Amino acid sequence: ETGVTQTPRHLVMGMTNKKSLKCEQHLGHNAMYWYKQSAKKPLELMFVYNFKEQTENNSVPSRFSPECPNSSHLFLHLHTLQPEDSALYLCASSHVQGGTGELFFGEGSRLTVL
Amino acid sequence: GENVEQHPSTLSVQEGDSAVIKCTYSDSASNYFPWYKQELGKRPQLIIDIRSNVGEKKDQRIAVTLNKTAKHFSLHITETQPEDSAVYFCAASVEAAGNKLTFGGGTRVLVKP
Repeated sequence: ETGVTQTPRHLVMGMTNKKSLKCEQHLGHNAMYWYKQSAKKPLELMFVYNFKEQTENNSVPSRFSPECPNSSHLFLHLHTLQPEDSALYLCASSHVQGGTGELFFGEGSRLTVL
Repeated sequence: GENVEQHPSTLSVQEGDSAVIKCTYSDSASNYFPWYKQELGKRPQLIIDIRSNVGEKKDQRIAVTLNKTAKHFSLHITETQPEDSAVYFCAASVEAAGNKLTFGGGTRVLVKP
């Protein structure tokens, strides 16, 4: 498989559940990102990882917990979410240096919080 | 931090006509300005980008112009076709600070046959 793949594609959870979103990239990139896409804010940066180190946390509530075990994998752990967290969560990857700067997005994980 | 405003939020054009989307940014240090296209149910994809050392860039039917003094940049689509129907996002960043892109609010373009 090539590109950026996200699982699951759809997720429904209650406010007391704990779930995780997974992202995997096969492009040899060294930066990975989580974006939130909703009607209110179409593309909102949440987290940035460069070479597995978190370099950006865009004031995201602690109920969202990212994890980047290596340059190819990125997780978003979810717990005690609110209905307003329902959105499309997009993962992306890119080169940090020496590349074009282009972000390659996954298809997204559609999250519904009941 | 950077703030990017995008207008209009929706744009309906007749097939064959031109479409123009405008964005303004706030951080004068920004020097990288990409445009992404997101078709319905699909992922956003880069269609064109421009860096601050040039004022215009063209790729077939799409072009982007940049006015650094006024801090605005625009996307121009000529001879629009139904497959141009999508949501378009502009973005801005300071390249030296890494790929921390700030996106505009998006423009939904509908090309009517």
